[in-house]
Amino acid sequence: KQEVTQIPAALSVPEGENLVLNCSFTDSAIYNLQWFRQDPGKGLTSLLLIQSSQREQTSGRLNASLDKSSGRSTLYIAASQPGDSATYLCAAMNSGYSTLTFGKGTMLLVSP
Amino acid sequence: DAGVIQSPRHEVTEMGQEVTLRCKPISGHNSLFWYRQTMMRGLELLIYFNNNVPIDDSGMPEDRFSAKMPNASFSTLKIQPSEPRDSAVYFCASSLRLRRGIGTGVEKLFFGSGTQLSVL
Repeated sequence: KQEVTQIPAALSVPEGENLVLNCSFTDSAIYNLQWFRQDPGKGLTSLLLIQSSQREQTSGRLNASLDKSSGRSTLYIAASQPGDSATYLCAAMNSGYSTLTFGKGTMLLVSP
Repeated sequence: DAGVIQSPRHEVTEMGQEVTLRCKPISGHNSLFWYRQTMMRGLELLIYFNNNVPIDDSGMPEDRFSAKMPNASFSTLKIQPSEPRDSAVYFCASSLRLRRGIGTGVEKLFFGSGTQLSVL
């Protein structure tokens, strides 16, 4: 059974810092790895999707990498802003019926 | 596109009552997922439909939970009778699956805003 772990559970940084969020998964037989953002009281918004054949994806100030062999993914946020404050979740799409297994998220606070 | 629409946004009920949560997926999407989110357990998949057919309901916790998808534009999740431990945020999500029942690795998931359920 796939298990996804995110470290740290919470992170507080001053505005302007570059930061890295970590995600690890136990079963490397995945189709893709997805990163989501969740604002308080809201649903999840898809940020980046890395297919199993890819190593990274970039969108603006966000860069996500995938290392299947080691079961790890990282989300890099450059020049963080207060508007980046949210919970970030990673999810692995498993084989078989290909449903997503989520980590519990990293709660990010960027202070001005 | 209006996105995935869930109703109600908030539901407060008493233990033993029936609760029905509703979801309208994005038009054209053929896969629908019900998730439950709690602080302790995070996001858990309850059930997954493809082309209105339940594919995987192994996450449904008990017989008190049931889900239906009578057509491509509507799904319900029902809890009867409800219990305080069912209190959570319930999310519906949809995607366009390119292969019948099985992902190809390129599908993005789109979530609704969730229903906050409180069972007293």
